[in-house]
Amino acid sequence: SSELTQDPAVSVALGQTVRITCQGDSLRNYYASWYQQKPGQAPVLVIYGKNNRPSGIPDRFSGSGSENTASLTITGAQAEDEADYYCNSRDSSGNHLGWVFGGGTKLTVL
Amino acid sequence: EVQLLESGGALVQPGGSLRLSCAASGFTFSNYAMSWVRQAPGKGLEWVSAISGSGGKTYYADSVEGRLTISRDNSKNTLFLQMNSLRAEDTAVYYCAKVLGPYYDSGGYYSYFDYWGQGMLVTVSS
Repeated sequence: SSELTQDPAVSVALGQTVRITCQGDSLRNYYASWYQQKPGQAPVLVIYGKNNRPSGIPDRFSGSGSENTASLTITGAQAEDEADYYCNSRDSSGNHLGWVFGGGTKLTVL
Repeated sequence: EVQLLESGGALVQPGGSLRLSCAASGFTFSNYAMSWVRQAPGKGLEWVSAISGSGGKTYYADSVEGRLTISRDNSKNTLFLQMNSLRAEDTAVYYCAKVLGPYYDSGGYYSYFDYWGQGMLVTVSS
């Protein structure tokens, strides 16, 4: 099966822009989705498809991608954005069909 | 309002069995694939298994193939995960999630988990 690689930790100053990246072969065929998880809570979908936000997700969250890399950008990070972020995509490598998650990126808002 | 409510989590000995359930409401259950995702203590998310809306297709991560079995009862709007031959490394919070896709958009496909349950702890220990 494929793997998705994320930086373990990223920090951003309050109000600044931060990009969280995700790399993996499955991203050549599938767009990533992104999930925000705060301590003790279930993950919440923030970006899916080419660059779509579910209802209720602020427009400071956006997604992009190229080749084998997907990115989640937070423009004007807020204190409440401090969380773990996971990328995810469908995986169809070899005979395996399933889904794969990145290892997660811990975002600290300074 | 979509709701997913897991139950069945417990402390179980290595080699033991457990059955998790996820009761769904707020959407037409049989129209959607469903999935299980787990998170070991202090670790990241790991996709475990998925099942089509009809139940006719199932998918498993390599780490659980042959030991965990996903199923669903569309008449009761309930998703299940039968866990056999449990190991210490199966200790995790297990989430059920509703699956959307695959869809196609501008040269790429995508599939994602739009709603998640609150999670349920399974502990495998002697």
